[in-house]
Amino acid sequence: QKEVEQDPGPLSVPEGAIVSLNCTYSNSAFQYFMWYRQYSRKGPELLMYTYSSGNKEDGRFTAQVDKSSKYISLFIRDSQPSDSATYLCAMSAPSGSRLTFGEGTQLTVNP
Amino acid sequence: KAGVTQTPRYLIKTRGQQVTLSCSPISGHRSVSWYQQTPGQGLQFLFEYFSETQRNKGNFPGRFSGRQFSNSRSEMNVSTLELGDSALYLCASSFGQGMETQYFGPGTRLLVL
Repeated sequence: QKEVEQDPGPLSVPEGAIVSLNCTYSNSAFQYFMWYRQYSRKGPELLMYTYSSGNKEDGRFTAQVDKSSKYISLFIRDSQPSDSATYLCAMSAPSGSRLTFGEGTQLTVNP
Repeated sequence: KAGVTQTPRYLIKTRGQQVTLSCSPISGHRSVSWYQQTPGQGLQFLFEYFSETQRNKGNFPGRFSGRQFSNSRSEMNVSTLELGDSALYLCASSFGQGMETQYFGPGTRLLVL
């Protein structure tokens, strides 16, 4: 079983929709949680970074971490065609900077 | 501030050959991590270097190696290439003082024939 599970999709939504992306994990040592966005043939770009449980909002993006359920989410409000990309969750334990990634969810926002 | 740069961007090799990939981190960053990305396995951690020392290593065979120079630039080497080594190799840099944001480069796409 993988340490981080993420539904690979693909996920297709109309412009303006609210998008919900999720990951579950099994390693209780994970304390740092990140969401990266990766466009085709590009490197991952950091979107959100949270420590431990709680919510964090940045513009149209909201990240949620529920450590008790080992579940993290990324919400995208008012989705735009430019949001079409692969979204990767990543996490790390305090002992090091090694990131463990989910498989990535491919999102398409249709105009 | 310039981002993480990786060279070359694309590479074609044949089985049995070796390859060296280069990564220049963001100015001031002292930690460089390498990841392999494939459609089947996703992003997997290879190793991390900090101040010219390997600080962390993933679960890859010894054919995969790396090093870091005094200016924080890093190289990774893959010897005796196999078809399964075809992947996007990504480099990420951070200050390296603890668990900080890692910034990724565009990657080197390696195709092994």
